[in-house]
Amino acid sequence: AQSVTQLDSQVPVFEEAPVELRCNYSSSVSVYLFWYVQYPNQGLQLLLKYLSGSTLVKGINGFEAEFNKSQTSFHLRKPSVHISDTAEYFCAVSAGGNKLVFGAGTILRVKS
Amino acid sequence: DTAVSQTPKYLVTQMGNDKSIKCEQNLGHDTMYWYKQDSKKFLKIMFSYNNKELIINETVPNRFSPKSPDKAHLNLHINSLELGDSAVYFCASSRRLREGGDTQYFGPGTRLTVL
Repeated sequence: AQSVTQLDSQVPVFEEAPVELRCNYSSSVSVYLFWYVQYPNQGLQLLLKYLSGSTLVKGINGFEAEFNKSQTSFHLRKPSVHISDTAEYFCAVSAGGNKLVFGAGTILRVKS
Repeated sequence: DTAVSQTPKYLVTQMGNDKSIKCEQNLGHDTMYWYKQDSKKFLKIMFSYNNKELIINETVPNRFSPKSPDKAHLNLHINSLELGDSAVYFCASSRRLREGGDTQYFGPGTRLTVL
């Protein structure tokens, strides 16, 4: 079985500062990794995903994530955040069959 | 052009009632899902259908019954609603089931409140 741990429930950051949202996963088999974003009162939208190949994955809205197999991590980063990035971010893992297992989410609060 | 749509957006009902939530996708996807997001925002898969066939059933009570009349629709019927069923229910779809890396596209959610 797979599991995902998002280490921070909330991350406050000032506008234009860099941010890292942490995600660790557990699995006995190879996995696919995802980051989804949920804006208030909306559904989830894919930010980026890692399937194979380069461990640095670039996504929408200037976000990127790095897959680290030895540390079983898939941290999300953005070099300079905007107010509009305020949302909840979910890390998820899939090991085939498209069954996504989500972490508990990290609320990113961008302050001006 | 909404890719994955759900109706209704809000649903308030009394304990013991039966209710349905509808989901439609116009992406031509083969696979559809239902997820439940509880009050702590924790998301958990409930069901997955591929080409109208039930693939994933995650120990959901029998009071929940998904129905897929065709590939583009996956409805969720809930009998004898309980307080603990209050949550946001998300429908999602993806291209195919075989490979695990497919992007899932989520609907806007249905907020169910059981009084």
